[in-house]
Amino acid sequence: NAGVMQNPRHLVRRRGQEARLRCSPMKGHSHVYWYRQLPEEGLKFMVYLQKENIIDESGMPKERFSAEFPKEGPSILRIQQVVRGDSAAYFCASSKKGTGGPGEQFFGPGTRLTVL
Amino acid sequence: AQSVTQPDIHITVSEGASLELRCNYSYGATPYLFWYVQSPGQGLQLLLKYFSGDTLVQGIKGFEAEFKRSQSSFNLRKPSVHWSDAAEYFCAVGVAGGTSYGKLTFGQGTILTVHP
Repeated sequence: NAGVMQNPRHLVRRRGQEARLRCSPMKGHSHVYWYRQLPEEGLKFMVYLQKENIIDESGMPKERFSAEFPKEGPSILRIQQVVRGDSAAYFCASSKKGTGGPGEQFFGPGTRLTVL
Repeated sequence: AQSVTQPDIHITVSEGASLELRCNYSYGATPYLFWYVQSPGQGLQLLLKYFSGDTLVQGIKGFEAEFKRSQSSFNLRKPSVHWSDAAEYFCAVGVAGGTSYGKLTFGQGTILTVHP
């Protein structure tokens, strides 16, 4: 009965490289959310996806960031041409329903991205 | 748009003492409210949630929280703190509809230190 899985747990990239973060939701969950936690701050919503659809990307930076949740396989958060300011912990959550309401969100352990 | 304020950045208590962590939210309708706990380097674990009904909510690890609509608050309490409760605590609000459907808005977090 695995929970939300994220990999890698730690990722180091040099400025200008690409970072790919993966998230496998809990079994039976079809809704995925990505959050970013900067040092000394709370979590900030980035994007909400269902299978093959982006529902809400209001928290995503307009450039260099993209997310997908294909029909098969994990959800991917992709950061192109990383900069030092992208260094943060990125958390994925999943739920059965697409709401912060009864479909409570379960969080993964996070991917800690360090940009050198 | 909804918002969450946790007025206390850092709280220190002695083991065995009672605990109250404050959370105030801003949202025009009835919110969905959550408390999560995060240990260093880990993901978030749900302590308890409020959707509707009884305003006093029981959670895991002996925690409870009370929803007070008149004060827009959802404070977390524990009658006797254990050393293992030392962690960072996040209050979050979610909504069931509108443009913010699906995402959680988090407070800045309260770091709890427990003295022996």
